[in-house]
Amino acid sequence: GDSVTQMEGPVTLSEEAFLTINCTYTATGYPSLFWYVQYPGEGLQLLLKATKADDKGSNKGFEATYRKETTSFHLEKGSVQVSDSAVYFCALSPTGANNLFFGTGTRLTVIP
Amino acid sequence: NAGVMQNPRHLVRRRGQEARLRCSPMKGHSHVYWYRQLPEEGLKFMVYLQKENIIDESGMPKERFSAEFPKEGPSILRIQQVVRGDSAAYFCASSPEGQSYSNQPQHFGDGTRLSIL
Repeated sequence: GDSVTQMEGPVTLSEEAFLTINCTYTATGYPSLFWYVQYPGEGLQLLLKATKADDKGSNKGFEATYRKETTSFHLEKGSVQVSDSAVYFCALSPTGANNLFFGTGTRLTVIP
Repeated sequence: NAGVMQNPRHLVRRRGQEARLRCSPMKGHSHVYWYRQLPEEGLKFMVYLQKENIIDESGMPKERFSAEFPKEGPSILRIQQVVRGDSAAYFCASSPEGQSYSNQPQHFGDGTRLSIL
């Protein structure tokens, strides 16, 4: 079945460090891929998305590239800030499906 | 432009009571989705509704759980005779009519944290 496997956390980085959060998926067909971010006490917000192979989603300095050959959608940011501290969820939407499949989330803490 | 509104934010119930969780979708959205997040786990799909219709309830437990989205008013997720294992965060999301959900993001509310004593 469809599923998402996400790098386990928590991840603690110093400000301005490079961030990678790994995400791989299992799906039939051509799913759409998403990264959502959840700040403390809030709901999930869409961070970026990619809908086909080799697409790169980007937003607020974050990037992720849809790699069909490795079934991956790793999240990266070149220089993290304290305000990036949150939980990050990788998710996929199978072709023609009604719902999203989420990874377990990765908690990121950025220290000054 | 208000986002997805869920209430209450926190709900405490004793075992055997009923829990009612409400969700008002974003303005102009007619598709509603409910997800459950157990502690230390990702969100799991429960049910997808359009106005007055349940489209997909493949993620809903077969007993005690029900959902509705009436013509007027918010969507309701109802849990009867709650048990300790129902303790979780319940998130609602919405999307507009006419857009393929596989390409378009769902917009999430802040969730309801349900605690069962």
